[in-house]
Amino acid sequence: DGGITQSPKYLFRKEGQNVTLSCEQNLNHDAMYWYRQDPGQGLRLIYYSQIVNDFQKGDIAEGYSVSREKKESFPLTVTSAQKNPTAFYLCASSIAGQVNEKLFFGSGTQLSVL
Amino acid sequence: GIQVEQSPPDLILQEGANSTLRCNFSDSVNNLQWFHQNPWGQLINLFYIPSGTKQNGRLSATTVATERYSLLYISSSQTTDSGVYFCAVPSSYNFNKFSFGSGTKLNVKP
Repeated sequence: DGGITQSPKYLFRKEGQNVTLSCEQNLNHDAMYWYRQDPGQGLRLIYYSQIVNDFQKGDIAEGYSVSREKKESFPLTVTSAQKNPTAFYLCASSIAGQVNEKLFFGSGTQLSVL
Repeated sequence: GIQVEQSPPDLILQEGANSTLRCNFSDSVNNLQWFHQNPWGQLINLFYIPSGTKQNGRLSATTVATERYSLLYISSSQTTDSGVYFCAVPSSYNFNKFSFGSGTKLNVKP
């Protein structure tokens, strides 16, 4: 089955620790995205990538980093610089990041601070 | 960026009832999408509807782009319709930057 796989489903971070969230897709999509969702709120864009080895900051990139070494993979690292990391993180993809495309989402990772 | 407002924020229905969810946006759009987030957090794309009307089973959506709003209709609601419904539109200068509304939380009671 084609889709977007996020892991782990739950993740705990200690003070000063970097953690990495995995996102893998087998839809052959060029564009991938990371969103953050806080309780009772909509989604906010962290980073996006339209092509391998290239990515752009979204609206709330501070304290996060990404890489895009393979078309199917777009991992997100939450660094120690992100002072309020507790949130639900969603990975998405679209065919090529063009105007008339649908977004497809993974099942999310809940990150909490110990 | 584009401002997106959804109403109502919360909605409680008895199973079998109909409902209308609204999404207002502040600028012209070439793309508007409706999503359903189930209680486990998964977002499902319901409609891609920049203009006009589409139907999918008990759900239908209408976007009036010239008046900057979209409506999602749910007929004969079921408990499985519960969750949060979001609409999202991209920035007119960067198609990758979607703005999401705060959502409508729907609770369908048996």
